Amino acid sequence: DSGVTQTPKHLITATGQRVTLRCSPRSGDLSVYWYQQSLDQGLQFLIQYYNGEERAKGNILERFSAQQFPDLHSELNLSSLELGDSALYFCASSVGAVIDTEAFFGQGTRLTVV
Amino acid sequence: SQKIEQNSEALNIQEGKTATLTCNYTNYSPAYLQWYRQDPGRGPVFLLLIRENEKEKRKERLKVTFDTTLKQSLFHITASQPADSATYLCALALDDMRFGAGTRLTVKP
Repeated sequence: DSGVTQTPKHLITATGQRVTLRCSPRSGDLSVYWYQQSLDQGLQFLIQYYNGEERAKGNILERFSAQQFPDLHSELNLSSLELGDSALYFCASSVGAVIDTEAFFGQGTRLTVV
Repeated sequence: SQKIEQNSEALNIQEGKTATLTCNYTNYSPAYLQWYRQDPGRGPVFLLLIRENEKEKRKERLKVTFDTTLKQSLFHITASQPADSATYLCALALDDMRFGAGTRLTVKP
């Protein structure tokens, strides 16, 4: 158990809909990272938050948004969903703003868009 | 453009042999490089971190090297076991953390 909790584990929704994925980081970790992993693809970095502020942005679509709340949990919002958004979404957490120590990953949310 | 390339999609070796996986990068200057293990449908698990001023790091049967001149890291698993079968990912620590596509290792009994 990494200490990072992601909910829900599975999500099935229709095209055009909006969903919210939730991540609770490990206790004491201030950074949260979101990644997308499509079938047989690598981990694509989406966005990083550190202590409530957006710190780095990767290949995140405009239809996607995220935030980190005062209690440090984070939510990833995906809207106007398309079939191609079907993927595993992982969040990871680390202590600091820079990855100079290990990152801990959750078990992911498997999103299926039908 | 910036790239992180892991030498092959898949690597098959016999139990007891040494597995060597390669991670090459271009147009990055990472301060740290990390290796993770990922099993199907599960989140990556941290294995080793090596800093730019370190040449080599070891942990049990694992060894990582980091050559910032060649822009390459090698990841070795000695005395490999079937339980080592998984996908191994290298990650560059920059302002954020970017991953290679991974190498799927299969260790056959």
